[in-house]
This record gives sequence, C-alpha cells and structure tokens, in this order.
Amino acid sequence: AQTVTQSQPEMSVQEAETVTLSCTYDTSESDYYLFWYKQPPSRQMILVIRQEAYKQQNATENRFSVNFQKAAKSFSLKISDSQLGDAAMYFCAYRSGSDNYGQNFVFGPGTRLSVLP
Amino acid sequence: EAQVTQNPRYLITVTGKKLTVTCSQNMNHEYMSWYRQDPGLGLRQIYYSMNVEVTDKGDVPEGYKVSRKEKRNFPLILESPSPNQTSLYFCASSPPPWWRGVHTQYFGPGTRLTVL
Repeated sequence: AQTVTQSQPEMSVQEAETVTLSCTYDTSESDYYLFWYKQPPSRQMILVIRQEAYKQQNATENRFSVNFQKAAKSFSLKISDSQLGDAAMYFCAYRSGSDNYGQNFVFGPGTRLSVLP
Repeated sequence: EAQVTQNPRYLITVTGKKLTVTCSQNMNHEYMSWYRQDPGLGLRQIYYSMNVEVTDKGDVPEGYKVSRKEKRNFPLILESPSPNQTSLYFCASSPPPWWRGVHTQYFGPGTRLTVL
C-alpha cells in the first residue's frame, strides 16, 4: 500500500519570505498523481497544486511551485512571497493512476504553517 | 455550481444512537469517498465507492457503513457510535483516475461529530 509522509508537523515563515514544505511517498506504481491541499481554519479542503507523475516539468500555480523528484519519491511545496492568508494546514496526497489499485487517495499527516507578520 | 454537500455540519450525539451523515455531489462523478480527520493522522479513508452499488473498505472502516444506491449520494452510517468516532468527517468525489483532465477530489465542507 502507498504511504505519504510529511516530516514537519509545524513550520513558520515570515511574511513575504519563502518556505518549503516536505513530502515523501512510497509506491511501486509508475502512473500516479500528487497533490497539495490547503486547509485553512474554515476546515475547507482547497486544492493548491497537482502534479502528474508522467510529467517531468514541475507544476507551478502563481506563488506556489513544487519540486517533484520521482526517483527520490519526493514532492515538496514551495510558497514564495508568503502572505498571512497562507497560514493553514497543508496536506500532501497521492492518487493511484490505476482503477484497479483499490485505494483512491492517500494523505499525509499534514504540516501546520504559521505566517508571522 | 459544482459542489459536494454534507449534512449535518455539526452533530453531538450519545453512544449507541444510530446516525447518518448525508453526502451529495452534482458533478456526475463516479468516485466518492469518506474520510475522517484526526490530529496528527491527516485524512484517513473510511470507505470509497467506484460507482453505483460498488463500495469497498478504506483504511479505517470499522464501525461504519455506506451505501451507493444513486450516483450522486453516498451516505455514511454509524449504527452504534462510540466516543472514538468523535472526529471531523469529509465526503469527497472525483472522476476516475484515467480521465485525463481533472484528477483532484472535490471535498464537502466537513461534519464535526462528537460522540459522548
């Protein structure tokens, strides 16, 4: 079964600075998708960015970018020019590319990010 | 508006009193899932459904039941709730993984359940 690990339970960053959240995963598949979700105090789960494993190019969405290292099974999230609204819990998630693999999505334990003014 | 709805949003109940949390999506998605979120554990999958009448256990299915009689609805049933089922519950839906396009899950707003 796949597992997702986030080794940083909590992190903090100064407003306008850059922060990187770590995520590693374990899988024997070659076709899969990776995601970062943000959960603000409202508890809503918001998709931040996604990466297809077959794509070598790292995904970017405005101030958010990933460093996808397929061989190392690493998927870190970089937040540039951090804003107070970025403060949230961030979850890394894995999805199998195969219908037959049973498990749908697997989530990491989360990293709580604080943004300091 | 594309969305996943859950009801109720908050529920306080007592041990042993059967309850149902409803989930509905309007995006015609095949896949639906239930998760529980607990501190330090992230989201753990309880049950998932790949289509109508097709359901399977996730990581933590004990004490829960689901049904998928219609594509849009996927209720979560706790036949005899216990205090260790106090948690934040999310319903989510998604298209199949082979659908090259949107692969993400759409989440409901969450249900905060407290079992006394």
